[in-house]
Amino acid sequence: NAGVTQTPKFQVLKTGQSMTLQCAQDMNHEYMSWYRQDPGMGLRLIHYSVGAGITDQGEVPNGYNVSRSTTEDFPLRLLSAAPSQTSVYFCASSSGPGTSGGETQYFGPGTRLLVL
Amino acid sequence: RKEVEQDPGPFNVPEGATVAFNCTYSNSASQSFFWYRQDCRKEPKLLMSVYSSGNEDGRFTAQLNRASQYISLLIRDSKLSDSATYLCVVTLRYSGGGADGLTFGKGTHLIIQP
Repeated sequence: NAGVTQTPKFQVLKTGQSMTLQCAQDMNHEYMSWYRQDPGMGLRLIHYSVGAGITDQGEVPNGYNVSRSTTEDFPLRLLSAAPSQTSVYFCASSSGPGTSGGETQYFGPGTRLLVL
Repeated sequence: RKEVEQDPGPFNVPEGATVAFNCTYSNSASQSFFWYRQDCRKEPKLLMSVYSSGNEDGRFTAQLNRASQYISLLIRDSKLSDSATYLCVVTLRYSGGGADGLTFGKGTHLIIQP
């Protein structure tokens, strides 16, 4: 199993550009989420999903969209990039409550985004 | 309001020493507790879950004090490879199971010195 994969690893954008951060998992996990990590701020939840077709907002959703058309994939879209979105983005998945170890979050390797 | 507090450190500890740090949480409805480890420029990975009775995994011991609302992590005989940031994670008691029920601490930075 590859676990959780993210692409790209690094990206530089200009203000106003849009892009999609890709996230995929091959563990058949129902629960997936996107976080951003900034120095001194810790991990902050952007959006999450509890299953295909179901998404919800986290703590810092503004400027980001998500969709969950399949169990495996959970892309994060930046609509119009701003310098404040410069961050490291982590995707995570879990099997969810009611399963053994269901609360354990498996993280992807992250995408480092710089918005100029 | 969800809140998990950790001393950011850094904790500079000589190799072979014992080090301990705590994490306090403010929401008494917190249900599950975890320690994650994050190496520099890497993703967080589960280190261990924290059970009410306390649990040990090799050189690592985690404990939960519900009355005082904190969890602790003890590392014995510290190794250079233990240098990392340790994140405290707390989940709320609710039925959804989504990531909105998780709260991450900002992490404690540990540096093991030779």
